[in-house]
Amino acid sequence: KAGVTQTPRYLIKTRGQQVTLSCSPISGHRSVSWYQQTPGQGLQFLFEYFSETQRNKGNFPGRFSGRQFSNSRSEMNVSTLELGDSALYLCASSLGSRQYFGPGTRLTVL
Amino acid sequence: AQSVTQLGSHVSVSEGALVLLRCNYSSSVPPYLFWYVQYPNQGLQLLLKYTSAATLVKGINGFEAEFKKSETSFHLTKPSAHMSDAAEYFCAVSPEDNQGGKLIFGQGTELSVKP
Repeated sequence: KAGVTQTPRYLIKTRGQQVTLSCSPISGHRSVSWYQQTPGQGLQFLFEYFSETQRNKGNFPGRFSGRQFSNSRSEMNVSTLELGDSALYLCASSLGSRQYFGPGTRLTVL
Repeated sequence: AQSVTQLGSHVSVSEGALVLLRCNYSSSVPPYLFWYVQYPNQGLQLLLKYTSAATLVKGINGFEAEFKKSETSFHLTKPSAHMSDAAEYFCAVSPEDNQGGKLIFGQGTELSVKP
């Protein structure tokens, strides 16, 4: 089976812009989770979608949002980008308790 | 709320030496405990997972971890380090009310292996 794919792999934006990141889970996986990884804060949970519904949410401002489509693909959106949003954004799909991670999208905000 | 502490942000060992990476979780026993490895510019790869079936868990690449409830620990070990083990390692727990999709990670430990 193909693994979790994330597009794009690298992205450069400027402050105030918005960005959309995409994640395609492993076939058959209905849960998709998103994490932000930064050197200062480490790995932090953003949210999880299961069958097109947000099931869990982390402690991030409303500028961070997501959605899941009927084919389980997920997108996350960050509006009004800030410098501090520069990070590696990881997506993981799961079947049961095990999560499978994608390679991440490296977002740089200038 | 569950939390995870990894003692030591950097650990350096010589090739062939024992690898010991420390992880402590908060007092309540989580449903699952995990160790993940991350190589540069890559996502996370699962090394092993504790599910209460056995306290000693064997993972990939020769790693294993022992769950000790009395010490609230889940330390990762490997008898003999290889150069290819150099990476960042993360301990993670699932919250008690988890339905599968949320992990709480430690801050990570970067492992260096000297020739």
